[in-house]
Amino acid sequence: GDSVTQMEGPVTLSEEAFLTINCTYTATGYPSLFWYVQYPGEGLQLLLKATKADDKGSNKGFEATYRKETTSFHLEKGSVQVSDSAVYFCALSSNTNAGKSTFGDGTTLTVKP
Amino acid sequence: DAGVTQSPTHLIKTRGQQVTLRCSPKSGHDTVSWYQQALGQGPQFIFQYYEEEERQRGNFPDRFSGHQFPNYSSELNVNALLLGDSALYLCASSLVLGGGLEQFFGPGTRLTVL
Repeated sequence: GDSVTQMEGPVTLSEEAFLTINCTYTATGYPSLFWYVQYPGEGLQLLLKATKADDKGSNKGFEATYRKETTSFHLEKGSVQVSDSAVYFCALSSNTNAGKSTFGDGTTLTVKP
Repeated sequence: DAGVTQSPTHLIKTRGQQVTLRCSPKSGHDTVSWYQQALGQGPQFIFQYYEEEERQRGNFPDRFSGHQFPNYSSELNVNALLLGDSALYLCASSLVLGGGLEQFFGPGTRLTVL
């Protein structure tokens, strides 16, 4: 079945540092890929998505590129802020139904001033 | 525009009891999915409801059942609770057509089984 593997955390960075959170996937066909963010006490929020190979999703300074050849969708940000501290989840779904998504186990990011 | 709402926020039950969780989707959405998120893990898909029918189901036992009402709201029922059912239960809503593959999550219901 489908699966998503994220780099283990937690990740602790200083403000303005460069962020990379690795994500690889296993899926049949050509899934859509997502990054979600979860702040303490809240539900998941969609951060960015990519629906086909070589697509780059971006939002709020975060970027991720759909790499079919390496089955990866790594999340990057050039300069993190304290407010980026949260749990980040990589996920995949079919191209027709995002309501049945497969998630990774999440990576906790803490940014220190 | 109200987002996805869930009730109750927290719930404590004992083993063997039954529980019902409720979800109201984002305005305009017609599909509701339920996920179980154990501590330190990612959400696991339970099932999805569209047009008042269960359309897809994840790897969960029949103790987990649901319902969708004509106003698109949904309930998740869990019978014969086990300690392992303790988790955050998330509801997500989406639009089957034209939704752009986006699903919106509620804040969740924290279920503790003692």
